[in-house]
Formats: sequence, C-alpha cells, structure tokens
Amino acid sequence: DQQVKQNSPSLSVQEGRISILNCDYTNSMFDYFLWYKKYPAEGPTFLISISSIKDKNEDGRFTVFLNKSAKHLSLHIVPSQPGDSAVYFCAASLFYNQGGKLIFGQGTELSVKP
Amino acid sequence: DADVTQTPRNRITKTGKRIMLECSQTKGHDRMYWYRQDPGLGLRLIYYSFDVKDINKGEISDGYSVSRQAQAKFSLSLESAIPNQTALYFCATEMGTGELFFGEGSRLTVL
Repeated sequence: DQQVKQNSPSLSVQEGRISILNCDYTNSMFDYFLWYKKYPAEGPTFLISISSIKDKNEDGRFTVFLNKSAKHLSLHIVPSQPGDSAVYFCAASLFYNQGGKLIFGQGTELSVKP
Repeated sequence: DADVTQTPRNRITKTGKRIMLECSQTKGHDRMYWYRQDPGLGLRLIYYSFDVKDINKGEISDGYSVSRQAQAKFSLSLESAIPNQTALYFCATEMGTGELFFGEGSRLTVL
C-alpha cells in the first residue's frame, strides 16, 4: 500500500505562473518531509524539506506547506520557469535521525511552457 | 567528476545471470543507500548502510545483496537476475539530515 501518494502524474503550467504540486500521506507518524527534483538521465536532487513541527518552509521561489490534520503537503513554485520542468518526488521519513530511509511518492512530471 | 558515481550506467542481461552494480562516492558520507525506481511507483529502498560494518535491509531487499567494501564503496548484487528486476537503480549518500545525494543511475534490463 502506497504510504505517500502523488495523485497527479503530470502538470502543465505557463511560464511565470504558479506551479502547485501535491502530495498525500497515510502514516501520521511521518515527521519529516522532503521534495526532490529529477531531470531525465540524472539522479534526483534535493529541493526543500519541512519538519512536522512547522507548517511552511520557504527557499527562494520554492515553498512547501504541510497540513498535518489533512496529511497533505504541497510544493509551490512561484514564478515557474522552463528550467523547472522535471519530475518532482515528495518523500517522507518516520524519524528525522533515520536520515535517508525515505518513503517516496510516485512523482509528478511538471512541464513549464514558455 | 560526479560526487556519486555508478557503474555500469546501462546493462542488458539475461535471466539467471549474476549482476553487480557498483557505487563510489567522494562526499565522505558514512551513510549509503540503494534505491530502485519503477514507473508509477517512485523510488523504493533496497538496502542501506550507516557505516562500513552496518548493513540493513530496506523495503524490497528480496533477490538482492550488498557489500560495503569501504566508506566510499557500496555495491549491489543480483545473484540470479529475473525480468521483474528490470528498473533504474540509484545509489545515494547522506549525512544524517535526510538530504540524499544521488548518482546518475544504472539502468538494468533483464531479458
């Protein structure tokens, strides 16, 4: 059973607009969440993270929101740029000190049109 | 040069063959991981190692084994490959923060 779900396999947005990527999880014990970005023929790269004690974390154009009651997190990219076109994976960790033992979602492919 | 290097990058093999995927890193991290990516399933953890003497099974370890030859080297073996092990395999390192540093991947096809 998929504990971390990204229900939208793909998303297309116009350059300059906001991209919102969503992720749902089922295990209320997850306490750390991360987003990774993957370009074709490359490995995923870390983008941004959030601890369960927070509900928002920003890094430049990227903001992650966490709604624990809904078991939902989202990644906002504002403004979107063509170079943001990639597959985005959300991931969750049961305990912060377990480091890279992550449960990943299926990924959402973002396409930003010029 | 990449911080996390995987070899081979692509491999086609036949059912029943033994395959080894190798990973080396220059980041100096103690923790290393092997993940597998399948379409529609995301990445799933196969094995992980928190230091040279520590090896742990992940979510999908059946059919796989690993060897941590040194802090910088972590290899994944398929003793007898089967078609459903066709996937994209990623090695990663990490220093306890959850931020994984991935290699470029090894695409394995088992016929």
